Amino acid sequence: SQQGEEDPQALSIQEGENATMNCSYKTSINNLQWYRQNSGRGLVHLILIRSNEREKHSGRLRVTLDTSKKSSSLLITASRAADTASYFCATDAIYNTDKLIFGTGTRLQVFP
Amino acid sequence: DTGVSQNPRHKITKRGQNVTFRCDPISEHNRLYWYRQTLGQGPEFLTYFQNEAQLEKSRLLSDRFSAERPKGSFSTLEIQRTEQGDSAMYLCASSAQSSGNTIYFGEGSWLTVV
Repeated sequence: SQQGEEDPQALSIQEGENATMNCSYKTSINNLQWYRQNSGRGLVHLILIRSNEREKHSGRLRVTLDTSKKSSSLLITASRAADTASYFCATDAIYNTDKLIFGTGTRLQVFP
Repeated sequence: DTGVSQNPRHKITKRGQNVTFRCDPISEHNRLYWYRQTLGQGPEFLTYFQNEAQLEKSRLLSDRFSAERPKGSFSTLEIQRTEQGDSAMYLCASSAQSSGNTIYFGEGSWLTVV
């Protein structure tokens, strides 16, 4: 079963534009992580944000977390064609912190 | 290469045959996970180990699936009597408590059952 849902399911933008993806989840969490997946490849960890954090930055990535709304957003600034990939959010659960449950993903296409 | 290693990367098999995938986690990671992913979907949790102990199995893991991690290092995932519905990418991942629950994934093993 999937814990979360990403929105939008697909996003197409031009190089240089910002891309925003949203994730909603169902249960209380300890942390939320974002992963990237190029077509046919494994998942690459991007960023982890803990439940007591509200915002985190890493390079061109900005992640926010609103535990009251059970939602998170991933912002990629100044996008590049190489950012084309699927992006997934993943959460643990307070009752079981040992595994991650993934959302359905956002497929991002960045046109040069 | 110190990442998670999976092999084979691709496997095509006839329905009814058995297949086995191997995963070598990042060295000294005590947790190892198996996920399954079909086209257009996110990874779905199958099972995980802490050292050699299998701590949780998803309901997705039917009796035809078995995973082992005999010495707490590499792991195998065997699918017996494969069915077309087993066609998917099987992802292995590992983590260590010190990594703050960050889970690192391998490149996956693609299974096609014909």
